[in-house]
Amino acid sequence: DIQMTQSPSSLSASVGDRVTITCRASQSISSYLNWYQQKPGKAPKLLIYAASSLQSGVPSRFSGSGSGTDFTLTISSLQPEDFATYYCQQSYSTPSFTFGPGTKVDIK
Amino acid sequence: QVQLVQSGAEVKKPGSSVKVSCKASGGTFSSYAISWVRQAPGQGLEWMGGIIPIFGTANYAQKFQGRVTITADESTSTAYMELSSLRSEDTAVYYCARVGVRIVPAAMSYNWFDPWGQGTLVTVSS
Repeated sequence: DIQMTQSPSSLSASVGDRVTITCRASQSISSYLNWYQQKPGKAPKLLIYAASSLQSGVPSRFSGSGSGTDFTLTISSLQPEDFATYYCQQSYSTPSFTFGPGTKVDIK
Repeated sequence: QVQLVQSGAEVKKPGSSVKVSCKASGGTFSSYAISWVRQAPGQGLEWMGGIIPIFGTANYAQKFQGRVTITADESTSTAYMELSSLRSEDTAVYYCARVGVRIVPAAMSYNWFDPWGQGTLVTVSS
């Protein structure tokens, strides 16, 4: 089974900061990697699919990069509505999927 | 725009079963896979399994094999997830999600989960 890890598990940042979250797969998954944002009490929301493709309607301050085993989600200028938990997900082993453990972004 | 609406919260006794529904509206149902994901209180997301309604065959995460059954009714555009032999550790919010797809010639397709249902809280307590 493909295992996913994320770092850091949590971070504190200020509005306007550039934020980077890392996701690592236990084996190469090419670019079969998605990113989701989840706010408390809400369902996850797709941000990025196929490692770097921005989902329609998602602000351009979100970007994804990477391939193989190492991936990055970047928020170029953190906004108040971006405080949330972020999850990566591999789809290489479709029809099975695995999520990372999540990274919580809160206010410094 | 597809929307997924799930059934309401459930309280169940240990050892019993729960069946959660996920009704799609506003788009094509049968040809897209539906996956089920759960989230225990304060924990992360855990994929449980999925189904492509037009084919009717489901696949499950190994952890839930033998305890979960995922089905779909094309006539009502509704998917179901039934979890049996419930224990307290099954207390969680259960989500359904449509599996989006981008076909890549001569390569594996890309898949992602969008949209998601609103979630159904299942509480297992004696």
